[in-house]
Amino acid sequence: AQSVTQLGSHVSVSEGALVLLRCNYSSSVPPYLFWYVQYPNQGLQLLLKYTTGATLVKGINGFEAEFKKSETSFHLTKPSAHMSDAAEYFCAVSDRTGTALIFGKGTTLSVSS
Amino acid sequence: ETGVTQTPRHLVMGMTNKKSLKCEQHLGHNAMYWYKQSAKKPLELMFVYSLEERVENNSVPSRFSPECPNSSHLFLHLHTLQPEDSALYLCASSQDPDRSTEAFFGQGTRLTVV
Repeated sequence: AQSVTQLGSHVSVSEGALVLLRCNYSSSVPPYLFWYVQYPNQGLQLLLKYTTGATLVKGINGFEAEFKKSETSFHLTKPSAHMSDAAEYFCAVSDRTGTALIFGKGTTLSVSS
Repeated sequence: ETGVTQTPRHLVMGMTNKKSLKCEQHLGHNAMYWYKQSAKKPLELMFVYSLEERVENNSVPSRFSPECPNSSHLFLHLHTLQPEDSALYLCASSQDPDRSTEAFFGQGTRLTVV
């Protein structure tokens, strides 16, 4: 069965610091992986996704993630945090056609000045 | 309008009430979903519709009843809910239920059961 584990329910960084949000997955077949962001009182917005091809994926707002099969990981990074990055971030996996995404519990990112 | 629109944004209902949540997508997508988002828990998939046909139902209690009259509209009918059903209910759509296709989400309906 597919599942997603996000390590750390809350991450705090200073403005300008590196952002690293961790995601590990389990899947019986090569997975498709997604990162979504949720701002307060909003729905989820896609940041980036990995399906096939290049393992380093670039998304919106300066975020990127690297698919590492050997580590079953898909960590999200951003070189320099901005105050507007404060939000909740969700990692999701899909490994079967015809099913919806399975989400992790989410990580709340706080950015201080 | 564009994207996925959910109404109402907020709903307070008693345990004996009947209410409905509405979702409308203007993206021409063929698949629609209901998710439940509770505090401290992962998003829970409730229902999946593809071309107006229910393709997945994740053991959701019968007090939640979905309806998909066409590919643009999705409803969630609620009756005799429990306080633990209080949550943010998110609707999403995707081009089709292919595993590589990302989902587009509405802003959600914040439901409080009193």
